[in-house]
Amino acid sequence: GQNIDQPTEMTATEGAIVQINCTYQTSGFNGLFWYQQHAGEAPTFLSYNVLDGLEEKGRFSSFLSRSKGYSYLLLKELQMKDSASYLCGAKDSNYQLIWGAGTKLIIKP
Amino acid sequence: GAVVSQHPSRVICKSGTSVKIECRSLDFQATTMFWYRQFPKQSLMLMATSNEGSKATYEQGVEKDKFLINHASLTLSTLTVTSAHPEDSSFYICSASRGRGASPLHFGNGTRLTVT
Repeated sequence: GQNIDQPTEMTATEGAIVQINCTYQTSGFNGLFWYQQHAGEAPTFLSYNVLDGLEEKGRFSSFLSRSKGYSYLLLKELQMKDSASYLCGAKDSNYQLIWGAGTKLIIKP
Repeated sequence: GAVVSQHPSRVICKSGTSVKIECRSLDFQATTMFWYRQFPKQSLMLMATSNEGSKATYEQGVEKDKFLINHASLTLSTLTVTSAHPEDSSFYICSASRGRGASPLHFGNGTRLTVT
């Protein structure tokens, strides 16, 4: 079956760095997506990886290892507004996005 | 700016009535749109894939007669919750993609449905 695993909840301190891991098992692979979702709002797109390596976008970076079925989202210089859920999703061979359950990130002052 | 528009953002209805939610792609044509449901503190649950000009594909456990999906044009899909019950109260979100591969899903702002 297809499966995405990510931690349920993480806590970090304002100004610090946090890494949210995601492992995936899909029938075929057509890219790995990260989304941010604030409570009561729709998800917003953060990043996309289809090749191995690190993609950097400002304070956020995303890494992919296809051989390991592994990705992480790295958030630097954490701000209070980064408190949200972070969703990992992988597209399978049919281009259907398979979602993880999301990681709730709590930022403390 | 937003590329997917969803309306209404909030709706309160009485038990037994029907509610229609609209999802529009604003500057691209979407042959496929997706409808999700999300309960508080839970992840997104795909309900159905809406296909322009053909029947929607429903996920296992989702009642097609209760959640009617119509994708009449390349920019509009509608979800109608028929004979709503309090347990249908949830956050409904639509999404669409410009393409298949690298294109991300763009989400509407969601509809908070409360059935009294």
